[in-house]
Amino acid sequence: GNSVTQMEGPVTLSEEAFLTINCTYTATGYPSLFWYVQYPGEGLQLLLKATKADDKGSNKGFEATYRKETTSFHLEKGSVQVSDSAVYFCALSPLMGGNNRLAFGKGNQVVVIP
Amino acid sequence: ETGVTQSPTHLIKTRGQQVTLRCSSQSGHNTVSWYQQALGQGPQFIFQYYREEENGRGNFPPRFSGLQFPNYSSELNVNALELDDSALYLCASSLPSGGYGYTFGSGTRLTVV
Repeated sequence: GNSVTQMEGPVTLSEEAFLTINCTYTATGYPSLFWYVQYPGEGLQLLLKATKADDKGSNKGFEATYRKETTSFHLEKGSVQVSDSAVYFCALSPLMGGNNRLAFGKGNQVVVIP
Repeated sequence: ETGVTQSPTHLIKTRGQQVTLRCSSQSGHNTVSWYQQALGQGPQFIFQYYREEENGRGNFPPRFSGLQFPNYSSELNVNALELDDSALYLCASSLPSGGYGYTFGSGTRLTVV
C-alpha cells in the first residue's frame, strides 16, 4: 500500500535559519506528492505539490523536488520566519483511478524562535 | 470561489451517543473525503464519496457512515461514540482525480466524555 514517512520529532530553529524536513514515500505507480501546513487550531492548507518525477513544487519560499530514484520529497526553506511555526505534513495521492485517498506522514512540528 | 465549510466547529458528546458532522465542498469539486486526526497524529482516511456513492473506505468500523447530497455537500455520522473517537474531523473536497489537490475545511473538534 501507499505510505509516507517523515523524520521523527519536532524541529526548533532560529529565525532566518535554513529548514529541511525529510519525507520519503512508498507507492505503486506514480503518485502525486504534497506538503500541507497546519497552524494551531486550524485545518490543513496546501503548501505545495508535484505531480511527476523531477517536478519542483514551490510556494512562499518553500520548495520540494519529486525524486523518484530516492522516493523522496524533502521540504526546504532558505530563511524561516516566526510565522512559519506550524505542523508540516507530507502526503501522497494516486494520480489516476478511483479511491484517491491521501496518505499522510505523522507530521513535524516546526518552532521558529525570534 | 468558496472554500470548504464544516460545521459545527466544536462539539462535546457523551460516550454512546451519536453525532453528525457536516461539510460543504468547494465550488466545482464533486468528490468529498473525510479524515480523522487524533491529537499529535497525521490525518487518517475514513471514506470518500463521489456522485453520492461511497468510493473507498479506510480502516474504520461500520458505525462510521456518511452521505453525499446532490449539491456535493456531505455528512459524517458516528454511532455509539467511544472515547477514542475524540479527534479533529477534517473534510476535503477535490475533483475525482485527487492528484491535482484537495481543499480542506477547518475541521470539527469532537470531544467524547
